[in-house]
Amino acid sequence: AQSVAQPEDQVNVAEGNPLTVKCTYSVSGNPYLFWYVQYPNRGLQFLLKYITGDNLVKGSYGFEAEFNKSQTSFHLKKPSALVSDSALYFCAVSGNTGGFKTIFGAGTRLFVKA
Amino acid sequence: EAGVAQSPRYKIIEKRQSVAFWCNPISGHATLYWYQQILGQGPKLLIQFQNNGVVDDSQLPKDRFSAERLKGVDSTLKIQPAKLEDSAVYLCASSLVGGGDNEQFFGPGTRLTVL
Repeated sequence: AQSVAQPEDQVNVAEGNPLTVKCTYSVSGNPYLFWYVQYPNRGLQFLLKYITGDNLVKGSYGFEAEFNKSQTSFHLKKPSALVSDSALYFCAVSGNTGGFKTIFGAGTRLFVKA
Repeated sequence: EAGVAQSPRYKIIEKRQSVAFWCNPISGHATLYWYQQILGQGPKLLIQFQNNGVVDDSQLPKDRFSAERLKGVDSTLKIQPAKLEDSAVYLCASSLVGGGDNEQFFGPGTRLTVL
């Protein structure tokens, strides 16, 4: 069965510092991996995805994520955090065998302090 | 490009009442999803449509929840009768196709409170 784990409920970082939001997954076959962001009172927005190819994928707002097959991880990163990055971040996975249902993690709340 | 539209934005009902939510996906998107997001959790897929056919409804509580997408565009999700544990945000999303590698575009959600 597919699953996604976001081990941190909350991540705190100072503005200008690098940030990492962690995600690990379990899926049969090759995974499709996604990051979404949810700002207060707004719907989820797509940030980036890994389908195949280069393990480092770049997305919106300066975010990037690294796919690590051996560690089954897909951590979200940004070199320099902004206060406006404060939001709820969700990792999601869908498998490419036996159906394509997308499973979301529980979310990690990011606080960026000025 | 218009986004995914949902209505109503908020709904408060008493348990055992019925409620319906409406979703209009992005034009041209073949796949439509309904998710339930309980506070503190990630979205959980309730049902996925490809055009007007159901692809996955394995997590839809079919004794009380129903959904339709009659003309392959708009969709309605209904709960009848509602229970206290149905209090959640109901998210509608759409994607160009449903192959699993397409990103989904989400509406603002409907916040349901069951008293």
